[in-house]
Amino acid sequence: QKEVEQNSGPLSVPEGAIASLNCTYSDRVSQSFFWYRQYSGKSPELIMSIYSNGDKEDGRFTAQLNKASQYVSLLIRDSQPSDSATYLCAAYDTGNQFYFGTGTSLTVIP
Amino acid sequence: ETGVTQSPTHLIKTRGQQVTLRCSSQSGHNTVSWYQQALGQGPQFIFQYYREEENGRGNFPPRFSGLQFPNYSSELNVNALELDDSALYLCASSLQGFAYEQYFGPGTRLTVT
Repeated sequence: QKEVEQNSGPLSVPEGAIASLNCTYSDRVSQSFFWYRQYSGKSPELIMSIYSNGDKEDGRFTAQLNKASQYVSLLIRDSQPSDSATYLCAAYDTGNQFYFGTGTSLTVIP
Repeated sequence: ETGVTQSPTHLIKTRGQQVTLRCSSQSGHNTVSWYQQALGQGPQFIFQYYREEENGRGNFPPRFSGLQFPNYSSELNVNALELDDSALYLCASSLQGFAYEQYFGPGTRLTVT
């Protein structure tokens, strides 16, 4: 298993819907996770970090961490066309390596 | 507060040449990490510098090397360029190591012909 894995999608949702992006991780990574958004041709932009089991909300974004099941997810409420991008899940390990998933492409349809 | 900057924006090199990419960290950040992102892939970790020392390295050959300066800016050097080195090179800075959030610069697009 890769350290961090994502479904590459693509994922399409209608405008105003909830987009759900998922990421699973291996035992090798730490319990700190990061979600980045990357528009085509641009660099990754940090959306949220999550360190504790449970939910963390920031505006329309909610990150969820489930350590027992080893997954982390990102929910985007009231999805907007401007949310159309690739979403990257990331984590690091105790050997000071940093891992990104391959990214999930999201399209929000007006 | 100044964000992470990188130079140059684009670069075209020939196979076998050497290249140096530069990064200035965000104000107050002492850690810089470099990543390589091929088209359609997630960024791959190259190495991290913390207080001028290499503090972690990914699965990249020794021809990828780096430096961090006292002002925490950093350089990535790649020797003996190969066609597969063509990618977007990203620099990210953080307050201290990976436990803190990383912020990315705009990247340098390297094309090797």
